Amino acid sequence: EAQVTQNPRYLITVTGKKLTVTCSQNMNHEYMSWYRQDPGLGLRQIYYSMNVEVTDKGDVPEGYKVSRKEKRNFPLILESPSPNQTSLYFCASSFGGEAQPQHFGDGTRLSIL
Amino acid sequence: QKEVEQDPGPLSVPEGAIVSLNCTYSNSAFQYFMWYRQYSRKGPELLMYTYSSGNKEDGRFTAQVDKSSKYISLFIRDSQPSDSATYLCAPRSNAGNMLTFGGGTRLMVKP
Repeated sequence: EAQVTQNPRYLITVTGKKLTVTCSQNMNHEYMSWYRQDPGLGLRQIYYSMNVEVTDKGDVPEGYKVSRKEKRNFPLILESPSPNQTSLYFCASSFGGEAQPQHFGDGTRLSIL
Repeated sequence: QKEVEQDPGPLSVPEGAIVSLNCTYSNSAFQYFMWYRQYSRKGPELLMYTYSSGNKEDGRFTAQVDKSSKYISLFIRDSQPSDSATYLCAPRSNAGNMLTFGGGTRLMVKP
């Protein structure tokens, strides 16, 4: 089954404790991206990757890091999480870019105390 | 002012009603217009995709774009309880690779 898998689905942690949210897709998509979704603000792009070893900033990259060492994986790293990064995070992938139909994961709900 | 605006709702309608969901935008460079549907506790899924102005129909769903007034609509005919979800409009321009999502409108269709 074609899917985008995120882990963990839920996480409660404390300020400053490094964490990684993993994202994996099995559709051989070149393009992958991370979004955060906040009430009233909609989906905002954090980082995206056009292909392996190619990443770029989205609208709200501050406080986040990403890497794309393999085509299927695109982890999101919070080196020193802060409470304002409490949000619902989505990973997405597609062929050829964001204008193409994007497949989204089911989300990771992150709470940083 | 946000670049893409949607009424957050919730919009509550009886089963079988015609639903109109709307979105306004400010960037005249937007050329592609997408509607995503998001069920509770799920990621968004692409519902419809149109290019430039005009209408596009897919089953019970019709997407309409009026670029002169920067207004996007999604109509749902014969609405069903399974249509209950949040609907996100997402326009983008020819250049660049970023979608701009609206905040979404929550729709509830009551049996």
